[in-house]
Amino acid sequence: QVQLVQSGAEVKNPGASVRLSCKTSGYTFTNNHIHWVRQAPGQSLEWMGWIMAGSGDAQYLQKFQGRVLITWDTSATTVYMELRSLKSEDTAVYYCVREGGGFQWGQGTLVTVSS
Amino acid sequence: DVVMTQSPDSLAVSLGERATINCKTSQSVLYSSNNNNYITWYQKKPGQPPKLLIHWASTRESGVPDRFSGSGSGTDFTLTISSVQAEDVALYYCQQFYYTPWTFGQGTRVEIK
Repeated sequence: QVQLVQSGAEVKNPGASVRLSCKTSGYTFTNNHIHWVRQAPGQSLEWMGWIMAGSGDAQYLQKFQGRVLITWDTSATTVYMELRSLKSEDTAVYYCVREGGGFQWGQGTLVTVSS
Repeated sequence: DVVMTQSPDSLAVSLGERATINCKTSQSVLYSSNNNNYITWYQKKPGQPPKLLIHWASTRESGVPDRFSGSGSGTDFTLTISSVQAEDVALYYCQQFYYTPWTFGQGTRVEIK
């Protein structure tokens, strides 16, 4: 079955970078787009960007332009999301989401940004 | 970006009673070529990822109890829980995936009265 397994929790200082991973299995990796969505404490869900199946091209929410990078390793069937210049407001649970025949979500990764 | 407005923000219902959550989009999310509304509904519990309940505005996902139903078209959508159970206490979100960026409603908290 389709699985998306995300990397473990991270604690970062303000100004640092974080790179999260999303290991996929159970389907043909390049057939489906992968999105990243986050949820800050007490907030709704926020789409951050996606990497497109086949091409590997990525698109980002305007507010994250220049600060986020989504990449993939097709041989490892893994998608990565790097967020730079972290601020306290980036404290959130980050999810990867597979789009295709519905939506499958990873379990989430808690990123805490604190000095 | 498409603005998603859910109402109410919270509601308390008695066990076995009906709960109705509304979601309004600032632009139509109906694709005329396939007559599909690009709306999903999620249930969110603490410490868990969102659980997909309804896809294409009204298609219940496999394994989702039939007390959950979705309706609506264009810009106005509804999630109904016909007979609320204790395990339905959660936050509920609507989402549009017609446009990029995806956008989500602010969430509706369902509690037991």
